[in-house]
Amino acid sequence: NAGVTQTPKFQVLKTGQSMTLQCAQDMNHEYMSWYRQDPGMGLRLIHYSVGAGITDQGEVPNGYNVSRSTTEDFPLRLLSAAPSQTSVYFCASSWDRAYGYTFGSGTRLTVV
Amino acid sequence: DAKTTQPTSMDCAEGRAANLPCNHSTISGNEYVYWYRQIHSQGPQYIIHGLKNNETNEMASLIITEDRKSSTLILPHATLRDTAVYYCIVLITQGGSEKLVFGKGTKLTVNP
Repeated sequence: NAGVTQTPKFQVLKTGQSMTLQCAQDMNHEYMSWYRQDPGMGLRLIHYSVGAGITDQGEVPNGYNVSRSTTEDFPLRLLSAAPSQTSVYFCASSWDRAYGYTFGSGTRLTVV
Repeated sequence: DAKTTQPTSMDCAEGRAANLPCNHSTISGNEYVYWYRQIHSQGPQYIIHGLKNNETNEMASLIITEDRKSSTLILPHATLRDTAVYYCIVLITQGGSEKLVFGKGTKLTVNP
C-alpha cells in the first residue's frame, strides 16, 4: 500500500492562478479531509468527505473547492490563488474512527 | 473551536516518562479523544484514541478521567525521536459525519 499520496510536493503560483492539489489513497478509506498548516500553527480543516459524492466544509473553506467522484481521490482546487493561501496542505484519510487518520506528506504551496 | 486546551510546551529527560495533559471540559458523551503528533514538518502521525476507558498500545498510554473532562498521554520511556508537537483532539461528529479539528498542540522536547 502506498498510503496517502499527495502531489505535487512543492508548488509556486502567481496571484490569480488556479491549480489542483491531488490526493489519492489506496486503502479504500471512506473518510478524507484536507487541512492547511501555517507557520507555527496547528492544522485547520478546509473540506472533508465521508464518501464518494459527499463533501462538506470545514473551518476555512473560502477560496477552495473539492469534489469526490471516486473513493480513492479527493482533489483540492484553488480557484484564484492569493498570497494568504501560502501554506502547507495535508490530506488525510480514514476507514473508521477506530483506526485513526493517515496523513500524506504534504504539499508546500507558495503564492507570489 | 478546537474544544481542547494543552500547554504550549513541555520538556522531558530521555528515558523518563513524558506525561502530556489535555483539558476537554466541553466534550460530549459520544465524542472520542484522539492524540496525534507531528515531527518537524511531516504529516501528523496517529498515536492513540479513547472514549471512556484507559487505552494502551505499542506507542503510548491514554488515561481519561472518570468525568472525561481531561486526559493524559503517557510516553513511558521517551527518546530523542519523540521530540514533536503533540495534538490532543476531540473528534467532532455532526449530522452523521465526523471531522478532526486540531488545536495548537504541545511542543515536547526530549533532552539527552
